[in-house]
Amino acid sequence: GENVEQHPSTLSVQEGDSAVIKCTYSDSASNYFPWYKQELGKRPQLIIDIRSNVGEKKDQRIAVTLNKTAKHFSLHITETQPEDSAVYFCAASRGNTGFQKLVFGTGTRLLVSP
Amino acid sequence: EADIYQTPRYLVIGTGKKITLECSQTMGHDKMYWYQQDPGMELHLIHYSYGVNSTEKGDLSSESTVSRIRTEHFPLTLESARPSHTSQYLCASSRSPGNEQFFGPGTRLTVL
Repeated sequence: GENVEQHPSTLSVQEGDSAVIKCTYSDSASNYFPWYKQELGKRPQLIIDIRSNVGEKKDQRIAVTLNKTAKHFSLHITETQPEDSAVYFCAASRGNTGFQKLVFGTGTRLLVSP
Repeated sequence: EADIYQTPRYLVIGTGKKITLECSQTMGHDKMYWYQQDPGMELHLIHYSYGVNSTEKGDLSSESTVSRIRTEHFPLTLESARPSHTSQYLCASSRSPGNEQFFGPGTRLTVL
């Protein structure tokens, strides 16, 4: 089955710096890669996702890149702000066919210091 | 407003009690899921459902059971709670054939 590894487990940056979180997956048939943000005491919320037919997707200060050959994808946050502090989870699934089970990474705790 | 609702939000209960965690969604989704998560840690899938009368066990072994009698309702039951069941339980749903999963606010369970 699918296995998703996520690094680093914790990441501390200064406000205004960029942050990068990386994930690798094992199932070459996976084609959907979402990123969730979970603030303390809150539910996980989707912040961006990418499908295997594109290599990069941007939404304001966040972007995700996908390298299907290497089977890894990354979340990039530019101009970080204290409100970006949260735990971020990557995930992978085969999507649109059969059961859409998401396999999650172990999470990255991002701390943005003012 | 379309959303996923979970009750109770917090539950403290003694060992051996039977409990049911409620999950309802007004999203119109056919697929529903239960995850177990210790605060800030990895999400573990414990149950999922394709639709009415369809339930499957997830990746993490769990002593809980689920039912799906109505599309919008996916309750989770623990017949005999133990301290090892102390955790946060998150319900989620998604539409077919889309992939995005929407999460409920969670139930934080403490078993004494």
